[in-house]
This record gives sequence, structure tokens and C-alpha cells, in this order.
Amino acid sequence: EAQVTQNPRYLITVTGKKLTVTCSQNMNHEYMSWYRQDPGLGLRQIYYSMNVEVTDKGDVPEGYKVSRKEKRNFPLILESPSPNQTSLYFCASSYGSWGSGELFFGEGSRLTVL
Amino acid sequence: GQQLNQSPQSMFIQEGEDVSMNCTSSSIFNTWLWYKQDPGEGPVLLIALYKAGELTSNGRLTAQFGITRKDSFLNISASIPSDVGIYFCAGPGTSYGKLTFGQGTILTVHP
Repeated sequence: EAQVTQNPRYLITVTGKKLTVTCSQNMNHEYMSWYRQDPGLGLRQIYYSMNVEVTDKGDVPEGYKVSRKEKRNFPLILESPSPNQTSLYFCASSYGSWGSGELFFGEGSRLTVL
Repeated sequence: GQQLNQSPQSMFIQEGEDVSMNCTSSSIFNTWLWYKQDPGEGPVLLIALYKAGELTSNGRLTAQFGITRKDSFLNISASIPSDVGIYFCAGPGTSYGKLTFGQGTILTVHP
């Protein structure tokens, strides 16, 4: 089954404790992206990757890092999480760039930073 | 970055009613996308629009790419309970690879 898989789905952590949210897709997509969703703000793009070893900042990259060492994986790293990073995070992928129109989203990872 | 404004922010309707929502941009777009997010899930693409004036349907859903290229509309006819969710418009960001979403319209359908 074609899917984007995120882990963990739920996480409660404390300020400053490094964490990684993994994202994996099995559709051989070149493009992958991370979004955060906050009430009233919609989905805001954090980072995206057009292909392996190519990553770029989205609209809200501060406090986050990403890497794209393999085509299928695109982990999101919070080196020193802070409470304002409490949010619902989505990973997404598409064939080519997003311009194909069909971004496939994971089920989301709800992160709480105390 | 790009600004997309969706309205209304939320809607409470009765089953069977028609729904209209829209999205406006601060700049010209060459693509408009409409996504739906069911409760507890990730967004799913409903309709993609690539040409000014284009009108595209997907079942009970119809979306239009505004002539000015700064707006788009989504209509749902004869709403049913499973239409409940958040509807997002999206369009290209300020650089290739960026995709900007609106704030979303929360739809509640009363049986």
C-alpha cells in the first residue's frame, strides 16, 4: 500500500531534549516536505527536499533541521525543542515537485513540548 | 511569504445544504489546489486547477480558478455528514518547491 509513515504519532517531551520525527515513503517520490499545523494558521511549510541531498527552507524553518540521505526518508530534527514548537506535524511527498498537485500526507505527529 | 486568506473560517450547516468557500491571494497564482483534512488524518487532494477561469468538478465538489488569478472558489452541493472536516486551499510559494496553504475552513454538517 502506497503511504507516508511518520513516527512517533504522539510525543510529549521537555524543553531542550533533542528529538527526531521520522518520515518514510514507499512511492519512490523525489519531493518531500514537512509542515506544521496550528489552529487558525493552517499548514505552514518547515522544510522541503526536491531530491536526495537537496533540502531548502520553507516559511518557518527556525528551530528545525532536516536531512535527505536516502530517497525514501526525510527526518525532522528538533535539536533543542521549545514550547512554541508544540504542534501537529505532517510529512508529505509527491512525484516530481509538488507541482504535480498530488501531495501525499502522512497521518501526522502530535508533539507537546513542556 | 505568500499570503492566502480563506473564508469563512468555519461553517455550520444542515445536511443537504450547499456550501461555498473561497481563497484569495496577495499575488498572482498559476496553480490552485484544494485539500480536505478529515478529523485525525492528513490532508488529501480534492481538486487541482491550472488555468485562469478553469472550472473543475469532482463528484459534488466544484472548484474554480478565478479570472484575476488571485482567487479560487470551492463549492460543495447537497452536503452530507462525511463532508465534515477542514478544507484548505494551496498555491505555489515564493520559490520553486514551496507550497503555501490557507488557514483552512472548518466545516460542520448537522444531520
